[in-house]
Amino acid sequence: QVQPQQWGTGLLKPSETLSLTCAVHGEPFSDYYWSWIRQPPGKGLEWIGEIDHGGTTKYNPSLRSRVTISIDTSNNQFFLSLTSVTAADTAVYYCARDYGWFGPWGQGTLVTVSS
Amino acid sequence: DIVMTQSPDSLAVSLGGRATINCKSSQTVLSSSNNQNYLAWYQQKPGQPPKLLIYWASTRESGVPERFSGSGSGTHFTLTISSLQAEDVAVYYCQQHYSIPPTFGQGTKVEIK
Repeated sequence: QVQPQQWGTGLLKPSETLSLTCAVHGEPFSDYYWSWIRQPPGKGLEWIGEIDHGGTTKYNPSLRSRVTISIDTSNNQFFLSLTSVTAADTAVYYCARDYGWFGPWGQGTLVTVSS
Repeated sequence: DIVMTQSPDSLAVSLGGRATINCKSSQTVLSSSNNQNYLAWYQQKPGQPPKLLIYWASTRESGVPERFSGSGSGTHFTLTISSLQAEDVAVYYCQQHYSIPPTFGQGTKVEIK
């Protein structure tokens, strides 16, 4: 079964760029859509955006101006870039397979934005 | 955006008791083209990612115990845990994927009474 594994920088300063990678093992990567979702500490879930194997993306309008999701199908990986981060971007970031519903999920990466 | 509102925010249920969580959407998530409700439920335990329990409002994900069931249509949905077990202590979220962006409820915390 597909199991996403994710990694990236955990501590950023305001105005820096968040970069995360999600690698997928176990099933054909190109058959699915893939999403990024975040969860501020102690709070609920916010969808960031999705990408398909052809590189077509959809983003949450609330983040669209700062988000880029890209994909490397040859290595079964997809990526999140979020520019100009502030303390409000502090959250656990998850990658997940996207059927409309989400699952399975990566283990999560805590990203803290602090000066 | 479609707003998802869950109730209650928290509930305490005795072991073996029934837990009922409600989810209301600000507009319908029922598709007229396929008669499916674009509604999913998740369970999240502390320090873990959410786990998919139910999709299409009432279809259990593979491996999910039968005590978890989903019901409802249109704008009102319910997740029921028929006989609460200790391992069911968690926060539960509903999510709509009828329109972009997909949105989640605020979560309902389930505890043991």
